[in-house]
Amino acid sequence: KQEVTQIPAALSVPEGENLVLNCSFTDSAIYNLQWFRQDPGKGLTSLLLIQSSQREQTSGRLNASLDKSSGRSTLYIAASQPGDSATYLCAVCGSSNTGKLIFGQGTTLQVKP
Amino acid sequence: EAGVAQSPRYKIIEKRQSVAFWCNPISGHATLYWYQQILGQGPKLLIQFQNNGVVDDSQLPKDRFSAERLKGVDSTLKIQPAKLEDSAVYLCASSLGTAVNEQFFGPGTRLTVL
Repeated sequence: KQEVTQIPAALSVPEGENLVLNCSFTDSAIYNLQWFRQDPGKGLTSLLLIQSSQREQTSGRLNASLDKSSGRSTLYIAASQPGDSATYLCAVCGSSNTGKLIFGQGTTLQVKP
Repeated sequence: EAGVAQSPRYKIIEKRQSVAFWCNPISGHATLYWYQQILGQGPKLLIQFQNNGVVDDSQLPKDRFSAERLKGVDSTLKIQPAKLEDSAVYLCASSLGTAVNEQFFGPGTRLTVL
């Protein structure tokens, strides 16, 4: 049974700092991995999707890496800003290719001005 | 392009009452998902539709939850009767197809059961 874990559960950093959020999964047989952002009281916004054959994806100040063999993904945020404050969720899609996502519990990030 | 629409945004009910949520996916998206997100946890898939057929409902508590997707577009999720532990945010998502395609989420419906 696939399990997804995100560490830390919460993180507080000063503005301008580079930071890394971690995601680990127990079954390396995945189809893809997706990182989402969730603002309080809002739905999820997709940030990056990495296919199982890819090693990383980049969008602006965000870079996500994937190491399937070790069951790990990281989300790197460069030059953090107060507007980056949100909960970040990672989710894996299993190799059965049905589209079902298994989510971690999220990391709540606070960027202080 | 319009996103995934959900209503109502908030609902408060007493336990043992019934409640229904509505979702309208992005136009042209064949796959629709309902997730339950309990406070402090990640979303958990309740049911997945491909057009108007059910792909996965393995985690749907079928004794009290039901869902339908008439004509392969809009969907409703119903809870009857509600329990205290059903208090959560119910998220609807849609995608063009299945695994390769990104899922796009609606704003969710926050349910409080008293």
